[in-house]
Amino acid sequence: QVQLQESGPGLVNPSETLSLTCTVSGDSINNYYCTWIRQSPGKGLEWIGYVSYSGSTNYNPSLESRVAISIDTSKNQFSLRVTSVTAADTGVYYCARSRGYSSPLPLWGRGTLVTVSS
Amino acid sequence: EIVLTQSPGTLSLSPGDRATLSCRASQSVSSTNLAWYQQRPGQAPSLLIYAASFRATGIPDRFSGGGSGTDFSLTISRLEPEDFAVYYCQHYGISPGITFGPGTKVDIK
Repeated sequence: QVQLQESGPGLVNPSETLSLTCTVSGDSINNYYCTWIRQSPGKGLEWIGYVSYSGSTNYNPSLESRVAISIDTSKNQFSLRVTSVTAADTGVYYCARSRGYSSPLPLWGRGTLVTVSS
Repeated sequence: EIVLTQSPGTLSLSPGDRATLSCRASQSVSSTNLAWYQQRPGQAPSLLIYAASFRATGIPDRFSGGGSGTDFSLTISRLEPEDFAVYYCQHYGISPGITFGPGTKVDIK
């Protein structure tokens, strides 16, 4: 059974960098696109960006200047970095996997809550 | 940029009722790039419908999707207790990537 699991600090200080990792188990990460999505408390879903198995990326224009997504196929993991965080970056962060950039997201992690606060 | 609008914001119904949810795109989109997700409280979203009308693996046939161009719909023929949740439509494509609608909450009347 394929599973995705997000991990990383649950609390980040304002102006610092948020770093999360998504570990895929039960299947190789090769040949998939890996996506990060977040959800602010009580709000809807916001696409952050994705990375392909070859390392190409595409980001939400509203976050592009502060976001980096990378992939490590040797560890079956992909990662998210968001710099200069503010309280507006607080929320549940989900990783998800798809077959391509023009594909739906059939597999999601359970999500991890990140709070930006001093 | 494609903007998705969902209506109504909240739908109050009873178990056994029929639910019809709407998703409208700001410009015409290919139906192959439109999906619906269900999110129960405290859980991650889960894929219900892709390519506008195809049920994802394991999704019961009381869920159906349709539409084309700018207007799409999700219908739940008879609401079960576990169907009371928030539903999001999604457009996926190369540019600007992925867009979600604001969601429709289906709650118990």
